[in-house]
Order: sequence, then structure tokens, then C-alpha cells
Amino acid sequence: KAGVTQTPRYLIKTRGQQVTLSCSPISGHRSVSWYQQTPGQGLQFLFEYFSETQRNKGNFPGRFSGRQFSNSRSEMNVSTLELGDSALYLCASSKTGTDYEQYFGPGTRLTVT
Amino acid sequence: GQSLEQPSEVTAVEGAIVQINCTYQTSGFYGLSWYQQHDGGAPTFLSYNGLDGLEETGRFSSFLSRSDSYGYLLLQELQMKDSASYFCALNTGFQKLVFGTGTRLLVSP
Repeated sequence: KAGVTQTPRYLIKTRGQQVTLSCSPISGHRSVSWYQQTPGQGLQFLFEYFSETQRNKGNFPGRFSGRQFSNSRSEMNVSTLELGDSALYLCASSKTGTDYEQYFGPGTRLTVT
Repeated sequence: GQSLEQPSEVTAVEGAIVQINCTYQTSGFYGLSWYQQHDGGAPTFLSYNGLDGLEETGRFSSFLSRSDSYGYLLLQELQMKDSASYFCALNTGFQKLVFGTGTRLLVSP
């Protein structure tokens, strides 16, 4: 059974640009969550989607947005990139959306210059 | 808000037992989870406590006391491959995990 996949794995962008990251959950999983990991702030929750609906959102500015498609794949978008957006972006999936166990992907390392 | 505190680093030798503590502040949560993350890797689920008490999964055990706002992860028969960062996390609903500060475990021969 394939795990959670994220593309691209590495990305370099310039301040002011926008970026789209993709996450494919484990087959059959309907919930996808996104997290940002930085050395200073640690792991922080961005948002969660279940059956194409955003059910939960963390404390991030509106520049961070996401969506989920009917096949449960999810994308997150960051507009007007800032240097502080440099981070590892992780997505995690779970089957029913109420499971306590989440399966994380390898992440996308975003560097903003 | 919600916050979780963990020791920043713990060291131990192979074969030993180590306990990683987690204290938290929250107005409500469903349970406490533990995740392991190797350098450059993804967090992987280790254990979950929905109720007070001890949960055992192989060499790993986790404990929760809601009255003390406290939990811990116990790793037995330590192996070199256990060198990693360990995170406690509050399950707060709709798959939102609020992670602790993380503990780096260094296992030496």
C-alpha cells in the first residue's frame, strides 16, 4: 500500500511569488491535514480537509489556502511569499477523519529567497 | 491557547530505558499522541492515550494523567535506531494536532 506522497519534494521561490504544493493521501483516506515545520515554531497545524470541505483551520494568515479534490488529493497555496514561509510543509492523511492516527508524507522543503 | 512542553534533549545508552515527559495546557482535548521523527524524515505515529493510564505497544509505552496535565513516553530496550525527535501532540478535533516542542533523543553505544 503506497504511503502519502507529496510533490514537489524541494522548491526554491523568490519573495512575492506564489507556490502550490500537492499531497496525495493513502488510497481510501478521505482526510488530509497540512502542517508547517520550522526550527523556531516547530510543527504547526495549517488546515484540514475532509470530503472536499475545510473543517478546521490553524492560525495562519489568509495567504495560506488549500483545497481538496473529489479523489481526496489536496493542494495548498501560499501567495505573496515571505522569507518566513521557508519551512518543511507536511501533509498527513487519515481514513475516516476521526482516526487518532495520522500518516505523514515526506514533506515539501520550501525555501524562499 | 494550548501549549505543550517537553525536554529539549535526552541522552541514553543502548539497552537502557528512557522516559520523555510532556506537560500541557489546554481547555479541552480528545487525547494525547506521540510521534517519532528521524532527521529528514516524516513524523510517524507511535502511540495514543484517549483515557488516563498506560498504553503499551511493544517496546514503547505511553501514559496520560488528565488531572495532572501530564503524559510521558517510555522507551525500553533502547536501540541506536531510536535516536530521533519525539513529539507529544494534543488531538483537539477534526484531525488537528497541537504539537509539543519536541525532544531529541540521542542513543549511544
